[in-house]
Amino acid sequence: DVKVTQSSRYLVKRTGEKVFLECVQDMDHENMFWYRQDPGLGLRLIYFSYDVKMKEKGDIPEGYSVSREKKERFSLILESASTNQTSMYLCASSPPPGDKQYFGPGTRLTVT
Amino acid sequence: KQEVTQIPAALSVPEGENLVLNCSFTDSAIYNLQWFRQDPGKGLTSLLLIQSSQREQTSGRLNASLDKSSGRSTLYIAASQPGDSATYLCAVKTQGGSEKLVFGKGMKLTVNP
Repeated sequence: DVKVTQSSRYLVKRTGEKVFLECVQDMDHENMFWYRQDPGLGLRLIYFSYDVKMKEKGDIPEGYSVSREKKERFSLILESASTNQTSMYLCASSPPPGDKQYFGPGTRLTVT
Repeated sequence: KQEVTQIPAALSVPEGENLVLNCSFTDSAIYNLQWFRQDPGKGLTSLLLIQSSQREQTSGRLNASLDKSSGRSTLYIAASQPGDSATYLCAVKTQGGSEKLVFGKGMKLTVNP
């Protein structure tokens, strides 16, 4: 079975802190994704990566950056956390092209 | 711009009913459509993936159909059980090369014993 893991299930950070969310997949998938999920807004794509060191902006990239130095690992970085970044963050991976996306368990981030 | 809609947003039914969940999309030029399940506070689990050339896919008590021309998909759940209670989301991958999915906002299903 495909396994996607995320570094934390729950995280509490203060405004202005730099925050790292990590995602690791074990199936050698080329594509990896970061989403945030908010009540009433659904899932929104932040960034995705289709290869090592390659990335593309999603629908809401502002305030976020990403890093993919190794194929299995995709990191989401909040350079200076703000309260409006309090959300559920979901990572996913998929092999190309157009195959299923496999999701991690999510990280619930609270910024106070 | 592709938009995906799921109506109603919530549904509550007694155990044993056969259910139909609806998903509509505005751009029929899709590559595939995927149905997911999400339990509270958890990630998404892929249930079924239908390629644009297919009309339906089945897995156990689940059957998903796709009608591209009308921009609709349905997820049929046979003999519903309390364990089916969850939020169900559909997502489409539009033709054009990007791996990006466009999600509906989901439908929260409660199956009462």
